Amino acid sequence: QKEVEQDPGPLSVPEGAIVSLNCTYSNSAFQYFMWYRQYSRKGPELLMYTYSSGNKEDGRFTAQVDKSSKYISLFIRDSQPSDSATYLCAMSGGGSGGYQKVTFGTGTKLQVIP
Amino acid sequence: GAVVSQHPSWVICKSGTSVKIECRSLDFQATTMFWYRQFPKQSLMLMATSNEGSKATYEQGVEKDKFLINHASLTLSTLTVTSAHPEDSSFYICSARDLIGALFQETQYFGPGTRLLVL
Repeated sequence: QKEVEQDPGPLSVPEGAIVSLNCTYSNSAFQYFMWYRQYSRKGPELLMYTYSSGNKEDGRFTAQVDKSSKYISLFIRDSQPSDSATYLCAMSGGGSGGYQKVTFGTGTKLQVIP
Repeated sequence: GAVVSQHPSWVICKSGTSVKIECRSLDFQATTMFWYRQFPKQSLMLMATSNEGSKATYEQGVEKDKFLINHASLTLSTLTVTSAHPEDSSFYICSARDLIGALFQETQYFGPGTRLLVL
């Protein structure tokens, strides 16, 4: 079983729709949860991060973490064609004492159709 | 924001040759840089962690003699693919941590990637 599971998609939605992207994980030690956006042939760009459980909102984006279910989500409101990209979830153990390895999901390819 | 550059952006080489990829943090000092490999429709696979002035730490299954990493300064790390073979063809991405400037300690700033094709 992979540590992080993410549906690769592709996910196609009409412009203006609410998009829900999800990941599940198996390692209960994960404490930092991140979402990256990767455009084709480019490096990933950090979109949002959360620590432990709860919600975090930034503009049209909301990140949600449910540690009890080992499930994280990214919601995109009023989706735009420019949101078309691959979205990768990522997580790490966090804590003190140095770097904690980040584990990435496979990414979900999103296409927002005008 | 923190910017990481990679050079070259793409390279085609013959089997058996060596290829060097550079990763630079342009506006911050990166004590730690990471090298990833990404195959189509697969997640980023960490190859090694590179610390300035010390030997790189390789992930299990990554050949250190084949993928040579040098982190000579706080702004530059290089990955050399030695005696490249067609199976080494992939998208190589570096990232760097900005411990001082980042609001979030786990933030990694990624370079644009280097696409390697070995014929």
